[in-house]
Amino acid sequence: EDKVVQSPLSLVVHEGDTVTLNCSYEVTNFRSLLWYKQEKKAPTFLFMLTSSGIEKKSGRLSSILDKKELFSILNITATQTGDSAVYLCAVEKWGSSNTGKLIFGQGTTLQVKP
Amino acid sequence: DVKVTQSSRYLVKRTGEKVFLECVQDMDHENMFWYRQDPGLGLRLIYFSYDVKMKEKGDIPEGYSVSREKKERFSLILESASTNQTSMYLCASSLADTPSSPQHFGDGTRLSIL
Repeated sequence: EDKVVQSPLSLVVHEGDTVTLNCSYEVTNFRSLLWYKQEKKAPTFLFMLTSSGIEKKSGRLSSILDKKELFSILNITATQTGDSAVYLCAVEKWGSSNTGKLIFGQGTTLQVKP
Repeated sequence: DVKVTQSSRYLVKRTGEKVFLECVQDMDHENMFWYRQDPGLGLRLIYFSYDVKMKEKGDIPEGYSVSREKKERFSLILESASTNQTSMYLCASSLADTPSSPQHFGDGTRLSIL
């Protein structure tokens, strides 16, 4: 059975700290791995990773994928209170109609205190 | 920017009612998806559609059906609502893809079945 596991499930840090969020997976027909940020509303897209070892970066956020060990990490440096959110990891697999299907982890709830 | 619009943010219905949740996207995306999000379980795929009038079951289709008569609109139908269908429902869309295109989400409908 396909599964995506995120850790930790919740995390409390202070502004300025660096955090690392983990995502491990066991999914057949892997296509890509995605990270989303969810505040009160829609999950917003952060990164899509398809190749091992290539870091993707956007401001203070970065992510990397290891397809051999089947995991990804999301790093946030110099955290701010606006980074408080649920971070979702999802693995996309090939579906029968050639459409990618997402399998989500439970999410990591990050709280950044001033 | 991709815009995925769900018709209601909050909805309260009674057990046994037929419930319609509507989703519209404005980016000419081929693929559309319906998820439900529950604490501790993450997002789970109910149904998806890769073209007009085409649909496929996701991981938890029981008790639901869908309709896609126009490319921009994807409806989720609860044939006879039950209390265990109380949840947050999220719609998403993406391009038919090579390479992969990320899914973009609406703000969600929080549905309560009394």
